[in-house]
Amino acid sequence: EDKVVQSPLSLVVHEGDTVTLNCSYEVTNFRSLLWYKQEKKAPTFLFMLTSSGIEKKSGRLSSILDKKELSSILNITATQTGDSAIYLCAPNNNAGNMLTFGGGTRLMVKP
Amino acid sequence: GAGVSQSPRYKVAKRGQDVALRCDPISGHVSLFWYQQALGQGPEFLTYFQNEAQLDKSGLPSDRFFAERPEGSVSTLKIQRTQQEDSAVYLCASSLVLRTRDSSGANVLTFGAGSRLTVL
Repeated sequence: EDKVVQSPLSLVVHEGDTVTLNCSYEVTNFRSLLWYKQEKKAPTFLFMLTSSGIEKKSGRLSSILDKKELSSILNITATQTGDSAIYLCAPNNNAGNMLTFGGGTRLMVKP
Repeated sequence: GAGVSQSPRYKVAKRGQDVALRCDPISGHVSLFWYQQALGQGPEFLTYFQNEAQLDKSGLPSDRFFAERPEGSVSTLKIQRTQQEDSAVYLCASSLVLRTRDSSGANVLTFGAGSRLTVL
């Protein structure tokens, strides 16, 4: 059975801090890993990672995949209150049609 | 449409009632997914359609759950004889099926805002 574990479960930081969110996975026929941000209801897409060691970057957010360790990290530098959300990682498996989500990391950024 | 649209946004049902949740995917998106998200948890896969064909329904928790997409666009998730444990946010997502050169087949899903079901 596919398994995705995210850590920490929750995190409270102050504006300006840097955070690192972790995702480890065990999936059959791994194809890629996606990160989503969920603020209210709809998760919104952040990154898709397919190759190990290649950092994807978007503004203050960056992410990298380690296929050997079956893990990925999401970094957020200079956090802002608007970064407060649940961050979900989801490996893409088998035919690439289904995402298996982790339980998410709930990030709260205080002013 | 511009995004994935779900209705109703909120639904309160008495235990034992039937409910129907609707999803309007992005126009032209071939794949449609339903996920169930309980409070404080990540989304759990329910079922998947490619056009009108339901290719995977392994995540449906019981035979009280039924999904259809008869014309390959709008989809309905029906829950019969609702129970309290059915209370959750039901997320619909759609995607184009991407065929990358290395056949990674990675699929970026666009989610709707969800339907929050509360069963009393």
